Amino acid sequence: AQSVTQPDIHITVSEGASLELRCNYSYGATPYLFWYVQSPGQGLQLLLKYFSGDTLVQGIKGFEAEFKRSQSSFNLRKPSVHWSDAAEYFCATGGSQGNLIFGKGTKLSVKP
Amino acid sequence: GAVVSQHPSWVICKSGTSVKIECRSLDFQATTMFWYRQFPKQSLMLMATSNEGSKATYEQGVEKDKFLINHASLTLSTLTVTSAHPEDSSFYICSARAQSSYEQYFGPGTRLTVT
Repeated sequence: AQSVTQPDIHITVSEGASLELRCNYSYGATPYLFWYVQSPGQGLQLLLKYFSGDTLVQGIKGFEAEFKRSQSSFNLRKPSVHWSDAAEYFCATGGSQGNLIFGKGTKLSVKP
Repeated sequence: GAVVSQHPSWVICKSGTSVKIECRSLDFQATTMFWYRQFPKQSLMLMATSNEGSKATYEQGVEKDKFLINHASLTLSTLTVTSAHPEDSSFYICSARAQSSYEQYFGPGTRLTVT
């Protein structure tokens, strides 16, 4: 069955520093992969998605992610973090019913 | 485009009562809607999948008689929590998907507190 794993529960970075959030997927074929961001008490906002093609995907708010089949990874990156990026980030993959299967999330804190 | 609304955004109810949550796709026709539940500081877990005009498919462990889902039109799905108990307190999020699309659009969520 498809699944995604986010190994980091909580990450703290300084404002202006670079960011990488890890996501590993488990699926034989090419998976559909997504990154979402959730601010406290809010719904989900799609940052970017990968279906096929170019393995480096550009998203909103300056985020990008790279699909690496050899490492079964789809890590989210941002070159310079802003305080407003503090939130919960979820990696997700497509389920058999067209639903999304989410990782457990990584909470990002940003130090001033 | 692709806006999904939920109503209410938050609700407090007494134990034993029922609560209805609406999920609407405002600018597209949603042939499939999904209902997720998110407990505090946890991830989203799929509760059920509903296709317009047919019965919902529930995930294992989700009581279909307790969480009634209706998807009567291409723009509206409702989740009714019947005989709510404090353990049903959670954040309920719906998403909607158009026909022939893998992309889902999420509603802003409904915070349910059962006292």
